Amino acid sequence: AQTVTQSQPEMSVQEAETVTLSCTYDTSESDYYLFWYKQPPSRQMILVIRQEAYKQQNATENRFSVNFQKAAKSFSLKISDSQLGDAAMYFCAYRSANSGNTPLVFGKGTRLSVIA
Amino acid sequence: GAVVSQHPSWVICKSGTSVKIECRSLDFQATTMFWYRQFPKQSLMLMATSNEGSKATYEQGVEKDKFLINHASLTLSTLTVTSAHPEDSSFYICSARDSGRVEGYTFGSGTRLTVV
Repeated sequence: AQTVTQSQPEMSVQEAETVTLSCTYDTSESDYYLFWYKQPPSRQMILVIRQEAYKQQNATENRFSVNFQKAAKSFSLKISDSQLGDAAMYFCAYRSANSGNTPLVFGKGTRLSVIA
Repeated sequence: GAVVSQHPSWVICKSGTSVKIECRSLDFQATTMFWYRQFPKQSLMLMATSNEGSKATYEQGVEKDKFLINHASLTLSTLTVTSAHPEDSSFYICSARDSGRVEGYTFGSGTRLTVV
């Protein structure tokens, strides 16, 4: 079974600075998707960024980018120019590409605080 | 984009009563929906996978008779917590995937259940 590990329960960053959240995963599959989700105090899950395992190029979405290291099974999230609104729980998630309806497997999350 | 509407957003019920939570996909057909449970400051725990027109698949340790799942149409899945007890108090989130999109699943806004 696949597992996702987030080793940083909490992180903090100064406003306008850059922070990197770590995520590692374990799988025997070669084709899969990786995601970062944000859960603000409202508890609505919001997709931040996704990465297809077959793509070597790291995904970017505005201030959010990932460092995807397939061989190391690492998928870190970098948030640049941090804003107060970035404060939230961040979950790394894995989904197998072998079936269209497999559930997401989540890490335990990292709580990010942004200091003004 | 894909939207999943979840109701109610919060509910308080007495011990021994049943509570129904609904999730509707508003602009796509969801052949599969996933139900998660989230305890405070913890990650999302998959409870069951709901498939339209068939029985749900429950994760190990989840009581089928307590958490009844019905997925009678391509746009509606319901979770009924039967004979609720205080330990059932939690945050419940549904999620569905629009098969026409590569992105990860869309989540409902969640239901906070408090059993008194």
